[in-house]
Amino acid sequence: DIQMTQSPSSLSASVGDRVTITCRASQGISNYLAWYQQKPGKVPKLLIYAASTLQSGVPSRFSGSGSGTDFTLTISSLQPEDVATYYCQKYNSAPFTFGQGTRLEIK
Amino acid sequence: EVQLVQSGAEVKKPGESLKISCKGSGYSFTSYWIGWVRQMPGKGLEWMGIIYPGDSDTRYSPSFQGQVTISADKSISTAYLQWSSLKASDTAMYYCAKSNLAYCSGGSCSLDYWGQGTLVTVSS
Repeated sequence: DIQMTQSPSSLSASVGDRVTITCRASQGISNYLAWYQQKPGKVPKLLIYAASTLQSGVPSRFSGSGSGTDFTLTISSLQPEDVATYYCQKYNSAPFTFGQGTRLEIK
Repeated sequence: EVQLVQSGAEVKKPGESLKISCKGSGYSFTSYWIGWVRQMPGKGLEWMGIIYPGDSDTRYSPSFQGQVTISADKSISTAYLQWSSLKASDTAMYYCAKSNLAYCSGGSCSLDYWGQGTLVTVSS
């Protein structure tokens, strides 16, 4: 099965910083990649699908890029409400594995 | 309004059986896949499997194949996740979620609407 590896596992950044999270697939998955945000104690929320398509209602400071094996989630200007754990998920073929998550905190 | 409403928290003993539910509303239940995701305490998201209620086509993660059964009753717009013999290691929050697009081939879609989660605690 294809493995999904996120980096870093955790990071701390200041309000207004540009933040980048990376997700790497062990084999090519084209653009079948989604990003989710899970705030503490809350239900996961879809941010981006098809690697770069912003889900309706998601702030434009979030963006995604990549294809094949390497993907990134970028927050252009970090806001306090972005404190959360972020997960990538591949869905080209079952099993639709999640990455291990990246915990984002405010410095 | 799209909603997925899951059944309430459960406390069970090892060896007991359990079936939890996820009722969809506000969309065409038979046209979208429903996935199940496990989150153990303090841990990440794990994809368990997915079902297409229109024809009950089901796919499982190898990690969960044989350990759980996913089913759906399209007449009442409800999907299910069940165990025949629970273990303490099944203690977790379980989420259902629907595919973001209709008719995804093999379930190959992301998950846009999520249920509120069902907390399952297995303890003697």
